[in-house]
Amino acid sequence: EVQLVQSGAEVKKPGESLRISCKASGYRLSSHWIAWVRQMPGKGLEWMGIIYPDDSDTRYSPSFQGLVTISADKSITTAYLQWSSLRASDTAMYYCARATAVAGTSSWYMDVWGRGTPITVSS
Amino acid sequence: QSVLTQPPSVSAAPGQKVTISCSGSSSNIGKNYVSWYQQLPGTAPKLLIYDNTKRPSGIPDRFSGSKSGTSATLGITGLQAGDEADYYCGTWDNSLSDVIFGGGTKLTVL
Repeated sequence: EVQLVQSGAEVKKPGESLRISCKASGYRLSSHWIAWVRQMPGKGLEWMGIIYPDDSDTRYSPSFQGLVTISADKSITTAYLQWSSLRASDTAMYYCARATAVAGTSSWYMDVWGRGTPITVSS
Repeated sequence: QSVLTQPPSVSAAPGQKVTISCSGSSSNIGKNYVSWYQQLPGTAPKLLIYDNTKRPSGIPDRFSGSKSGTSATLGITGLQAGDEADYYCGTWDNSLSDVIFGGGTKLTVL
């Protein structure tokens, strides 16, 4: 079964660092892009960026460039999303998803989703 | 304010048909492929439609997608109580160089 297993819920204080993970199974992680998507409480979906684990080619949404770091370790079929200094506004659910580019276009779709990692940032 | 505009809510009775619109512009829907996602309460999104009209394996043909110009539409026939969810459209925006989503539409099955 193709699935993405995300790390558990986190409660952190402002200014702390954090790395969450997304482990792929049932398919070759290195042959597909992985996207990270944020969903703030009661709000819609926001695409943060994507990574191609085979060569770590990473592309960020302009809205999240410089705010987070996306990485991957293909040897353990795991992708990561990390913050160096959390803010209260980072409180949200974070999903990883397998992303596929429509051939010859810039279009993407996400066909396999993790269950999400809830992050709460509060003093 | 989302770049893609969806109605905040739609409703219909069981067994009926409903459509959800997604309005964009020439820099996004007009030039790129649209996907649709279903998010049941308390769960992760699920891909319903990709490449404007295609259904992934396992998605019933009650769900359909279409695109015309700078707008896309998700159709759901034979509504069931289990279809109550938030629905999101998504596409690439050439001007923003970003994947964008609509604000989401809450479907209520009366």
